[in-house]
This record gives sequence, C-alpha cells and structure tokens, in this order.
Amino acid sequence: AQKVTQAQTEISVVEKEDVTLDCVYETRDTTYYLFWYKQPPSGELVFLIRRNSFDEQNEISGRYSWNFQKSTSSFNFTITASQVVDSAVYFCALRSMEYGNKLVFGAGTILRVKS
Amino acid sequence: NAGVTQTPKFQVLKTGQSMTLQCAQDMNHEYMSWYRQDPGMGLRLIHYSVGAGITDQGEVPNGYNVSRSTTEDFPLRLLSAAPSQTSVYFCASSPLQSSIQTQYFGPGTRLLVL
Repeated sequence: AQKVTQAQTEISVVEKEDVTLDCVYETRDTTYYLFWYKQPPSGELVFLIRRNSFDEQNEISGRYSWNFQKSTSSFNFTITASQVVDSAVYFCALRSMEYGNKLVFGAGTILRVKS
Repeated sequence: NAGVTQTPKFQVLKTGQSMTLQCAQDMNHEYMSWYRQDPGMGLRLIHYSVGAGITDQGEVPNGYNVSRSTTEDFPLRLLSAAPSQTSVYFCASSPLQSSIQTQYFGPGTRLLVL
C-alpha cells in the first residue's frame, strides 16, 4: 500500500480560484513528520512546510494554508487566490521511524494555474 | 553557504557507459541521500548515508553505487548505464537522520541514457 497518497494527478484552475491539494499518509508511529515541497518548472525542490504529528493546528502562511487531521491521516494544502506563479508540481512527504526516518514521497500533484 | 550542489546539470550517456554524479554540501550535514524522480512516481530513494564511511540502500539501489569518504561529498556512480536509468536525480541532505529533520535538495541532474 502507498505510504503517501496524492490522489490528484493533475489539477487545472483559473487564476484567483482557491485550490486544495490532498495528501493521505500511512504510518503506525505516533511520532512522525509531514512535509510539503514545491517543484516549479525550473525543476528545483523547494521546502514549504514541516508539521509534526502532535501539532494539529492549521497553519497559514500568506496565501498558503495547511490542514492536518490525524483522524483521517490527511495533510491537505490549500492555495487561496491562486496565481500563475503557483503552477508547479507539489509533493507531500512523510518521515517516521517506521520507515527508517527516510523521507517517503507521494507521486506529486501537477497544478496548472491559467490566466 | 552554497547549500547542496550537484554536477553536472545535464548528461547524455550511451548504454553501457559509466559516470559519476557529484553531490556536495557545505552545511556539515551528517545525512545525505540520492533520489530519482520519474513521471507519476514521485521521488524514490536510491542510497543514503548517515555519516562519513556509512552508506545503505534505499528503495531502488540496483545499478548504482555510492561512497562517503567525507562529510561534504556523496557521489553516485552508474557503472553501466541503462535506458531505464534515464531520470532526474536529486541529492539531499539534513543535519541528522532523525525524522524531525528537514531535507534540503540540490538542483538536480537530468540524465538521458540512449
């Protein structure tokens, strides 16, 4: 079974729309960390956020927000008022003792924001 | 700090050729790793190292060798390239192997094997 599942392969939105990227994970550990990375068309991987399993508070950073729900093993990422510069591949990842503290990635979601 | 650097940025190989992808970091990080990125599969771990002299296999190690003689450098060697190794390769590092640590990635090496 997938350890990190990003069910949305590709999403297309029009500028200024809100968009949510889904991430569902699996681990038996009680302590673990979840991450989001952004890969713009230039190809580099940019770290966006890290969240530990004991902190279920939602986090907001500008137009970005993250909703962590342990009950559903989800760590979803919302972009408010999307912009063309948000076009990228977004990866969700998990790091836990169960997987040897190695970073385990989802398959990624391609986000296309059209003007 | 330059962070994590990788060379070359792009390489074309013929089947059977060998080459080394270079990775270096100047942050004194103990943990370094190599991933390959293929469409629809995310990033998959090839090899990793928890410190100088210590390496271990990840999810997809076949066809690749690594060594870690210094804290700074973690080269990835392809002994006999195959078309299936066409991919984008990323090197990453973090201070330790602990799950709390954020991994920082290099810019990637795009490899085409003909």
